[in-house]
Amino acid sequence: EVQLVESGGGLVQPGGSLRLSCTASGFTFTNYWMHWVREAPGKGLVWVSRINTDGSSTSYADSVKGRFTISRDNAKNTLSLQMNSLRVEDTGVYYCAREFFDIQDYWGQGTLVTVSS
Amino acid sequence: EIVLTQSPATLSLSPGERATLSCRASQSVSDYVAWYQQRPGQAPRLLIYDASIRATGIPARFSVSGSGTDFTLTISSLEPEDSAIYYCQQRNNWPPYTFGQGTKLEIK
Repeated sequence: EVQLVESGGGLVQPGGSLRLSCTASGFTFTNYWMHWVREAPGKGLVWVSRINTDGSSTSYADSVKGRFTISRDNAKNTLSLQMNSLRVEDTGVYYCAREFFDIQDYWGQGTLVTVSS
Repeated sequence: EIVLTQSPATLSLSPGERATLSCRASQSVSDYVAWYQQRPGQAPRLLIYDASIRATGIPARFSVSGSGTDFTLTISSLEPEDSAIYYCQQRNNWPPYTFGQGTKLEIK
């Protein structure tokens, strides 16, 4: 069974940093590109970032480019998102998701990030 | 960036009725549209991709029609567990992978 478990969310002040993690199991992690997607309160789903199988290629939404860094540790089946210079508008539930032909076929349950003073 | 517009914003129907949800793209996305279901308090679940291919375990009462810029998700006979927000997403032109704003389906 495919499982994705996110962790690392919490309350942080504007300008602060947070590191999210996603632990994968039930599939061969090294074979799949992975994504982060945010669900902002009342605003639906917003794609955040994507990484290829060996971590050599990454993409970001314009709104997070230069502030967020996606990475992966294939030895530990772990996906990460380093979030710096956080803004109020970064608030939301962050999901990690597995990619299947450019879509996200399995999602974790999400971790809540709240950016507020 | 391709913008996806979903309508209606909210739909309220009774069990057994047919639901019709629309997704319109700002430019052609060929057949590269996916639909997701998000029940309250749960993660999104992939329903259908590449316009018409059902994901594993998705019942046949979920279907999609359309191509290019206009797509319709039809749920042929509603059940109480279909109460959810439904999102469309395009993968024809990325980054970014864009989602529609969602349609909230309420089962009376």
